[in-house]
Amino acid sequence: NAGVMQNPRHLVRRRGQEARLRCSPMKGHSHVYWYRQLPEEGLKFMVYLQKENIIDESGMPKERFSAEFPKEGPSILRIQQVVRGDSAAYFCASSPLAGGPEEQFFGPGTRLTVL
Amino acid sequence: KNQVEQSPQSLIILEGKNCTLQCNYTVSPFSNLRWYKQDTGRGPVSLTIMTFSENTKSNGRYTATLDADTKQSSLHITASQLSDSASYICVVTSSGTYKYIFGTGTRLKVLA
Repeated sequence: NAGVMQNPRHLVRRRGQEARLRCSPMKGHSHVYWYRQLPEEGLKFMVYLQKENIIDESGMPKERFSAEFPKEGPSILRIQQVVRGDSAAYFCASSPLAGGPEEQFFGPGTRLTVL
Repeated sequence: KNQVEQSPQSLIILEGKNCTLQCNYTVSPFSNLRWYKQDTGRGPVSLTIMTFSENTKSNGRYTATLDADTKQSSLHITASQLSDSASYICVVTSSGTYKYIFGTGTRLKVLA
């Protein structure tokens, strides 16, 4: 059973470009969570999605950031018109069920560098 | 405000030595506390999980303790190995929510 997959592992963008980060959850998991880790800081919750639904996007900036988890295919975190402050590691986690003590399994992360 | 604080921020020890990492939290109502290991350039991997009623949990050379009254946890690493070099992150979940609240981690370096 493959773990959570994220790609690309490293992404370099110039200011103003778009960044697309992909996350394939573990097999059988229908809940996906995105986190951002700024340098020297802990992971911060961004958004929680189930298949075709955004459940909680309270941690995601209102502008330029969007996320989706379509019926087929990976979850996508999209950052439009990137700025230097978007440089961070973005982690995706998945779980089989929602909330409570259910374990979230983390992917290896995508390191975004904005030049 | 729900917060998780860890100490020390970084730690250097010699191979074979023991060490203890600390975690204090203000998350309420409390559901569970996890310790994760995060290798450089990798995602966090779960080491232990403890609920309110548990005060100790072991996973090999890792032993976590929890004092729900004082809202403190510790992670004790016995007979450290070079491969223990990583960040150790304390994560607390509040009851009825899926949101993980992460500490900033302790960076452990084990030297030969």
